[in-house]
Amino acid sequence: DIQMTQSPSTLSASVGDRVTITCRASQSVSIWLAWYQQKPGKAPKFLIYKTSTLESGVPSRFSGSGSGTEFTLTISSLQPDDFATYYCQQYNSSPFTFGGGTKVEIK
Amino acid sequence: QITLKESGPTLVKPTQTLTLTCTFSGFSLSSTGVGVAWIRQPPGKALEWLALIYWDNDQRLSPSLKTRLTITKDTSKNQVVLTLTDVDPVDTATYYCAHAPGAFFDFWGQGTLVTVSS
Repeated sequence: DIQMTQSPSTLSASVGDRVTITCRASQSVSIWLAWYQQKPGKAPKFLIYKTSTLESGVPSRFSGSGSGTEFTLTISSLQPDDFATYYCQQYNSSPFTFGGGTKVEIK
Repeated sequence: QITLKESGPTLVKPTQTLTLTCTFSGFSLSSTGVGVAWIRQPPGKALEWLALIYWDNDQRLSPSLKTRLTITKDTSKNQVVLTLTDVDPVDTATYYCAHAPGAFFDFWGQGTLVTVSS
């Protein structure tokens, strides 16, 4: 199984900050990586697929990059609606594993 | 517009079998490339992928749960059913189904909380 490790597990930031979340895979997943946002009590929301392709309707302040085993999700200017937990997920091979999550909280 | 909704028991006793149904609309599970997945989330913990069934009945199951999991589809009813046998309190979680245009998940159901307790 491919293990996905996210860092940090918690991130404290202010509105307007640039935020970067890292996701590392235990072996190469090529570019087959997705990102999700989840707010308390809600289902995850799909943000990005194929490492860097934004889902329709996702604000352009979100961006993804990387390949192989190291990936990043960047929020260029954090907005109040962005405080949430973010998960990466590899879909290079089954089982399609998620990272442990990164909670972005208000500083 | 794609929607999915999970249904099933909210409380299950240890050793029993859990059966969850995902009823969806806005797409067909007979369309090439389309799948439906199940993902769960224990309270306060991370997401865990469980199973995925594709339009051609190709099935992928989590290796750690493979002996206990079954996923089936009823294309005519627009439903996917997940069964988990011999449940334990550690199976307590919110269970989600999701549309999979590949092996990522772009539309999710609201989730259903299942508690395993005697």
